[in-house]
This record gives sequence, structure tokens and C-alpha cells, in this order.
Amino acid sequence: GAGVSQSPSNKVTEKGKDVELRCDPISGHTALYWYRQSLGQGLEFLIYFQGNSAPDKSGLPSDRFSAERTGGSVSTLTIQRTQQEDSAVYLCASSSHRTGAGNEQFFGPGTRLTVL
Amino acid sequence: GQNIDQPTEMTATEGAIVQINCTYQTSGFNGLFWYQQHAGEAPTFLSYNVLDGLEEKGRFSSFLSRSKGYSYLLLKELQMKDSASYLCALVDQAGTALIFGKGTTLSVSS
Repeated sequence: GAGVSQSPSNKVTEKGKDVELRCDPISGHTALYWYRQSLGQGLEFLIYFQGNSAPDKSGLPSDRFSAERTGGSVSTLTIQRTQQEDSAVYLCASSSHRTGAGNEQFFGPGTRLTVL
Repeated sequence: GQNIDQPTEMTATEGAIVQINCTYQTSGFNGLFWYQQHAGEAPTFLSYNVLDGLEEKGRFSSFLSRSKGYSYLLLKELQMKDSASYLCALVDQAGTALIFGKGTTLSVSS
């Protein structure tokens, strides 16, 4: 595809349920990132993948959050036992190489998660 | 840690020039990005500064002063479509994550 895609675009769930959010990065991009954007807040870094490895998980807010990446491509962010404070837009981004070398991150449209 | 400050909102008129400031306190970083985000859409890349000075790209320019902990985004010949949020982001010391400010919402009127 031409850009980063995410699914679903919207997800409404009940408190306590598990959810899975999917990200398809730009083909050939080795670096993949997850962020979340809560109302009135800036984008908050969650996790970084280089290939299938996650050398930086420092932004994951609790052990209810996990992510994996397979085949150096698709990534899934899983939130277990969702809480109302998890409600946010979850954004995925990819870059050709790690962003510290000035490689811009290309963002997907996001998944809007609402926990009732 | 890092602390990034931007004005919350700004207004301007078509054809004008606007400067959006970003100040930060950090123990170290690897470059600074500016992104544009229209309501309900993904952020899109505008500019990147790693060295002090001005980077110009068409109607948009970005400036960085590491010694002053300061950056700005300059938008010239404003158009209605420039109404959006403008996000300042530092690249963390590991060179992996972007640390974002809360963004500046710019409203351009005719």
C-alpha cells in the first residue's frame, strides 16, 4: 500500500474486555512505532520496533499493554482488561530506518478506542 | 526527561505570516521535527532540524537554536487549508521515539 494503514478505524468496547489493534506499515520500512493521543494531550510514545524486535518498550503504561510484530511487517497492539482511561486514538507510524538519523515517521490514520 | 512547550492556540488571516514557537528543556536530543495534523487525520511531516539554523521548504521554514532550547515554525502566505494543529517533537537520545508537545491549533480566517 501507499501509506500506513490501521484497523479498525473505530473500536468501542466494554471495560474489562481485551482489544487488538492492527498496523500495516509502509512496505520495506524497518522501524515501527505506536503512539496514543488522548483528548487535549500530545502524542505519547508507547513502543518502538526495529524489525521484529522491540528495543524500546519504555512508553507502555502498564503490563496490560503489549505489542508484537511479525515478518518485519504487521504489528498488533493488545490491551488487556481495558479501562476507561485507555480511551484514546492509537496511532502507528513507520520509518525507513530509525528516526534518529532524521528519517521521518509516516503516520497511519489511527484507531479511535472508546472504553465504556 | 523532556518538557516541551507550545502555545495552545493561534489565529491569523489569509496571506499573513505566523510564527509558532516551541521551547523545550531536555538533557539531550537527536533532532527536532515539526508535523502538521488536520482534525481527525494523521500527522504529516513538515520539517526536520538537527543543526542550529533555518531550514526552508516553500512556504514553511523551521529554525532551531540548541543553546536557547528554542525552535519555531514560520508559515508564510497563509491559506485557509493551513488551519490545523502544528506539533513540535524532539527525537529522544536513543534516536528512536518522538517526544511531542501538546501542539498549537492554528485557525486561519479570511
